[in-house]
Amino acid sequence: DGGITQSPKYLFRKEGQNVTLSCEQNLNHDAMYWYRQDPGQGLRLIYYSQIVNDFQKGDIAEGYSVSREKKESFPLTVTSAQKNPTAFYLCASGPVGEVGTEAFFGQGTRLTVV
Amino acid sequence: GQNIDQPTEMTATEGAIVQINCTYQTSGFNGLFWYQQHAGEAPTFLSYNVLDGLEEKGRFSSFLSRSKGYSYLLLKELQMKDSASYLCAVRDNTDKLIFGTGTRLQVFP
Repeated sequence: DGGITQSPKYLFRKEGQNVTLSCEQNLNHDAMYWYRQDPGQGLRLIYYSQIVNDFQKGDIAEGYSVSREKKESFPLTVTSAQKNPTAFYLCASGPVGEVGTEAFFGQGTRLTVV
Repeated sequence: GQNIDQPTEMTATEGAIVQINCTYQTSGFNGLFWYQQHAGEAPTFLSYNVLDGLEEKGRFSSFLSRSKGYSYLLLKELQMKDSASYLCAVRDNTDKLIFGTGTRLQVFP
């Protein structure tokens, strides 16, 4: 089945440790996005990528890093520099330049830093 | 800067009609999307507008006015399961997908 997969669904880490969240899609989408959502809040853009080996910072990129070595994969690393990393992280993928086609979301990863 | 505004919370009664507004200021415009999100889950796509006017999809309709930077989502014959957050998102001229803060809708019996 075509879709977008995030793993794991729940993740616990100690403060000061880096952690990498996985996002894989088989929808042949060029664009991929990472969002952060805090309780009762909307989605804030961390990073996005429209093509392999290229990505742009979103509104809250500090303390995060990404890579886009393959079209299907867009992993997000939450570094120790991120001051308040506990949040719900959502990955999405979508077309570039195609009118009328929506972005699809993965199931999300809930990260808790203790 | 880029900005998308929605009301934070709304309440309505089962069977009624509710309209959720969204205003936006973005760098270019390549379409406006509405998503539904239940607590703890991923957003799911509801509707898309790129031209001015009304798009109808069953109990849900969405309207767009590009000149006013304005959209609304209309939900008819409300059901309890419609209690969720509704997210307005705009794709700008670089295909960046920007979301508003979302509107939490509570439907009461």
